[in-house]
Amino acid sequence: QKEVEQDPGPLSVPEGAIVSLNCTYSNSAFQYFMWYRQYSRKGPELLMYTYSSGNKEDGRFTAQVDKSSKYISLFIRDSQPSDSATYLCAMSGASGTYKYIFGTGTRLKVLA
Amino acid sequence: DVKVTQSSRYLVKRTGEKVFLECVQDMDHENMFWYRQDPGLGLRLIYFSYDVKMKEKGDIPEGYSVSREKKERFSLILESASTNQTSMYLCASSPQPDTEAFFGQGTRLTVV
Repeated sequence: QKEVEQDPGPLSVPEGAIVSLNCTYSNSAFQYFMWYRQYSRKGPELLMYTYSSGNKEDGRFTAQVDKSSKYISLFIRDSQPSDSATYLCAMSGASGTYKYIFGTGTRLKVLA
Repeated sequence: DVKVTQSSRYLVKRTGEKVFLECVQDMDHENMFWYRQDPGLGLRLIYFSYDVKMKEKGDIPEGYSVSREKKERFSLILESASTNQTSMYLCASSPQPDTEAFFGQGTRLTVV
């Protein structure tokens, strides 16, 4: 079993829709959670960084962490074609080392 | 703005060549990382460094070495390039363990 599971998609939505992207994980010791956006042939760009459980909002993006369910989500409101990219979740803080564990990414397509 | 710069966007090298990938960050970060990213496998950690001249093996260090002579620069070396090292290479840095990691734009390496 992978430490982090993420549906690869592709997920296709119409412009203006609310998008929900999710990751599940198996190690309850993770404490730090990140979401990255990666355009084709580019490096990942940090979107959200959260610690422990709860919600964090930044513009059209909301990150949600439910540690009891070992489940994290990224919501995108009023989605735009420019949001079309691969979204990676990442987490850390479990092993006392410097390791980040990444999901394999969900491909999102926002249709104009 | 946070900046991690990789020396090349695209590289084509021959089997057996020694290859150097350079990464520079301008944020005075302590930690630097090298990952490779392959379809279906996600990001895999090759090496990381938590201080100048300090390095630790990641999950897939075989065939690679690293050098960190200055805080801002972290180099990845492929001692003798092979076709199975064709991949997207990503450099990242973070200020402290478990804080946000910031990525460079990536180097797409093709070994022929």
